[in-house]
Amino acid sequence: DTEVTQTPKHLVMGMTNKKSLKCEQHMGHRAMYWYKQKAKKPPELMFVYSYEKLSINESVPSRFSPECPNSSLLNLHLHALQPEDSALYLCASSQDLSGLASYEQYFGPGTRLTVT
Amino acid sequence: AQKITQTQPGMFVQEKEAVTLDCTYDTSDQSYGLFWYKQPSSGEMIFLIYQGSYDEQNATEGRYSLNFQKARKSANLVISASQLGDSAMYFCAMRFDTGGFKTIFGAGTRLFVKA
Repeated sequence: DTEVTQTPKHLVMGMTNKKSLKCEQHMGHRAMYWYKQKAKKPPELMFVYSYEKLSINESVPSRFSPECPNSSLLNLHLHALQPEDSALYLCASSQDLSGLASYEQYFGPGTRLTVT
Repeated sequence: AQKITQTQPGMFVQEKEAVTLDCTYDTSDQSYGLFWYKQPSSGEMIFLIYQGSYDEQNATEGRYSLNFQKARKSANLVISASQLGDSAMYFCAMRFDTGGFKTIFGAGTRLFVKA
């Protein structure tokens, strides 16, 4: 099973709402990632978890709060978002972070978020 | 600073012909990995091929090959025998040892395959 799943596929939320994005993988990967992708742009790294601990936070605003409850699950909690946060949010996983940077990332299908 | 450059915003290719998508990179790291991903309109990023900085031979995966020229810091993707299903956005990416193995992506090239 080389699949990363993400729910929901689409999400529309108001600026005062609280919502969560969910990502799951069952490949035994120990590194998981959140990316944000605006239309016609490349993905931008937001967070990296390694062995369930936050490894990288790319200076993301606190209205985005990641959580890694276990090695298979990654959540992104959203609160008080702005319309400019509307984007495709991609989750990815890789074997781990060690080695010669050779471990490819497997991506999920993404969640298309619209903030109204 | 680490950087990936894709200079072709859009490319057209006739079905069954080969096409080369350009990618140049800049890094002071000795150890790094280069990746190509395909992103169809559905949004999912699909891993295509990997080349390590210490690999002496060019990587190949089916119809995909990577033309790696380390001295020129280029890692071009060659797609042979193009198919209509190859129409998508293609991203070149680099992962490097420093900075916690972050991955950075180029701006992408939109490939259109014509019947």
